[in-house]
Amino acid sequence: GAGVSQSPRYKVAKRGQDVALRCDPISGHVSLFWYQQALGQGPEFLTYFQNEAQLDKSGLPSDRFFAERPEGSVSTLKIQRTQQEDSAVYLCASSLRQPDTQYFGPGTRLTVL
Amino acid sequence: AQTVTQSQPEMSVQEAETVTLSCTYDTSESDYYLFWYKQPPSRQMILVIRQEAYKQQNATENRFSVNFQKAAKSFSLKISDSQLGDAAMYFCAYSPAWSGGSEKLVFGKGTKLTVNP
Repeated sequence: GAGVSQSPRYKVAKRGQDVALRCDPISGHVSLFWYQQALGQGPEFLTYFQNEAQLDKSGLPSDRFFAERPEGSVSTLKIQRTQQEDSAVYLCASSLRQPDTQYFGPGTRLTVL
Repeated sequence: AQTVTQSQPEMSVQEAETVTLSCTYDTSESDYYLFWYKQPPSRQMILVIRQEAYKQQNATENRFSVNFQKAAKSFSLKISDSQLGDAAMYFCAYSPAWSGGSEKLVFGKGTKLTVNP
């Protein structure tokens, strides 16, 4: 079956713009995670959904970051008033249940100018 | 808080040879999972191997095997018969077995593996 997909693959934004990043998890996967990966670093946790419920948002760096998964499938990570320090690769992962192996999408590379 | 340390920023190996990547972690939990993920330049994070802490037997997947030392909190990855396609960033990751919420992954900083022909 299809893996985790993310769109867009690349996004360039001017500082101050709002962006929306999309994640399509593997069909039937209950759990969905967002991670942020800075250049040359390992991914860092942002937020977690179980179905449509956001159970953990402890990793979101500021209130400019917002995530949703309204129907328990597709998720969107929104960043308002982007800053240069938001430049990173944003990875989405899904798993069938918790705890279980997480399967990753190809990521969205965000560059804020 | 759990931490994962990869002390080798870069490693290289000759094609067909064996290489071992190191990983140590810190946790107070008794039950957890450990993973090795591979990330090629395409950025797709691919699962290489997974180890459940309650299992004493080391996990093996074809040419990939781990040396899991629970008391020492060490989890190294051995790649046998290295191939050019093994070249990538390798990340060690930890996840609690149950935290009552999200079993998020905690990653190390990664080891860049180069395979020389």
